[in-house]
Amino acid sequence: DGGITQSPKYLFRKEGQNVTLSCEQNLNHDAMYWYRQDPGQGLRLIYYSQIVNDFQKGDIAEGYSVSREKKESFPLTVTSAQKNPTAFYLCASSTDGASGIVEQYFGPGTRLTVT
Amino acid sequence: KQEVTQIPAALSVPEGENLVLNCSFTDSAIYNLQWFRQDPGKGLTSLLLIQSSQREQTSGRLNASLDKSSGRSTLYIAASQPGDSATYLCAVSYDKVIFGPGTSLSVIP
Repeated sequence: DGGITQSPKYLFRKEGQNVTLSCEQNLNHDAMYWYRQDPGQGLRLIYYSQIVNDFQKGDIAEGYSVSREKKESFPLTVTSAQKNPTAFYLCASSTDGASGIVEQYFGPGTRLTVT
Repeated sequence: KQEVTQIPAALSVPEGENLVLNCSFTDSAIYNLQWFRQDPGKGLTSLLLIQSSQREQTSGRLNASLDKSSGRSTLYIAASQPGDSATYLCAVSYDKVIFGPGTSLSVIP
């Protein structure tokens, strides 16, 4: 089955610890994204990558870091510098837009709780 | 500034009713518009994608329309069912993708 996997589904960490969220896709998409979703709010873009070894900051990148060493993988690290890290994190990938179509596919999400 | 809004924020209807969800966007130079469904605690599931050159797309009981000139899209759900209860989000693709805040739909048996 083609799709996007995120692990773990639930993650608990103590304040001050860095934590890495996994995102893997087998859709052969060049573009990948990380979003944050807070209760009652829309999706906010953290980072995105349009090609391997390249990524750009989104609207709320402070306190987060990413890498894109492989096409299939786009892990997100939530650092201790992120002031309010408890949230639902969604990873997505998309067609690249060269055809004029940007169609996004989402993973099941990781709920991070920091205490 | 490119913005996407959705009205209403929440909607409650009796089972069997037809309903319309609205999505508005400020910049008409879009690549495409995508409608998603999100169940509580889950990821987003794509429902329909409308390319900028298209006027509508249909999938089962769902029909999405696009009017770029007025900056609007509607998602029509026919004969609503309790299983349709979820949050519906529209996403407009430019050089980046911008999401609306969503409409929370509750279909009452």
